[in-house]
Amino acid sequence: GENVEQHPSTLSVQEGDSAVIKCTYSDSASNYFPWYKQELGKRPQLIIDIRSNVGEKKDQRIAVTLNKTAKHFSLHITETQPEDSAVYFCAAKSKIQGAQKLVFGQGTRLTINP
Amino acid sequence: DAGVTQSPTHLIKTRGQHVTLRCSPISGHKSVSWYQQVLGQGPQFIFQYYEKEERGRGNFPDRFSARQFPNYSSELNVNALLLGDSALYLCASSLIYSGTGRYEQYFGPGTRLTVT
Repeated sequence: GENVEQHPSTLSVQEGDSAVIKCTYSDSASNYFPWYKQELGKRPQLIIDIRSNVGEKKDQRIAVTLNKTAKHFSLHITETQPEDSAVYFCAAKSKIQGAQKLVFGQGTRLTINP
Repeated sequence: DAGVTQSPTHLIKTRGQHVTLRCSPISGHKSVSWYQQVLGQGPQFIFQYYEKEERGRGNFPDRFSARQFPNYSSELNVNALLLGDSALYLCASSLIYSGTGRYEQYFGPGTRLTVT
């Protein structure tokens, strides 16, 4: 079935440095790739997404890149701040019967050290 | 502008019991999806509903069922609860359910279900 692999599972960086999280997907028909941030005890929050017709998208300190040929996409956070500490999930949209579901990676726990 | 709401926040049930969880989507959104998130893992797709019909179902047993109402709110029902059903149940709403349009999914706060 469809699968999304996410690495690393934990990431610790110094405040002000950059963080990169990488995901690979298996369903070649996937065309939508969102990233969610989940703080402890809270809902997953959509922070950025990318569609298969573009290779890169940026929103302030956050950027996402997509390589459809290699079936991988990455989240880049620059100038990290303590409030960036959270679990980040990547996902890929996949078709199931008549619906479209999101298949999630296992998550990356990002810790920003002051 | 209200986001996705879910009730109850927390629930404790005993094995074998039945549970009903509720979700109200963002105003104007017609699609509701349900996900199960076990501690330490990413959310797993259970179903998607659009215009009161189930459009797709993940790899979950028939003990899991749901429905969508004319106002697009939804209920998730789980029968004969098992210890392994303990999880955070998330509802996500989107404007549409398929195609290449505005497909962004926004999650509710979830219902934390504990089965003892």
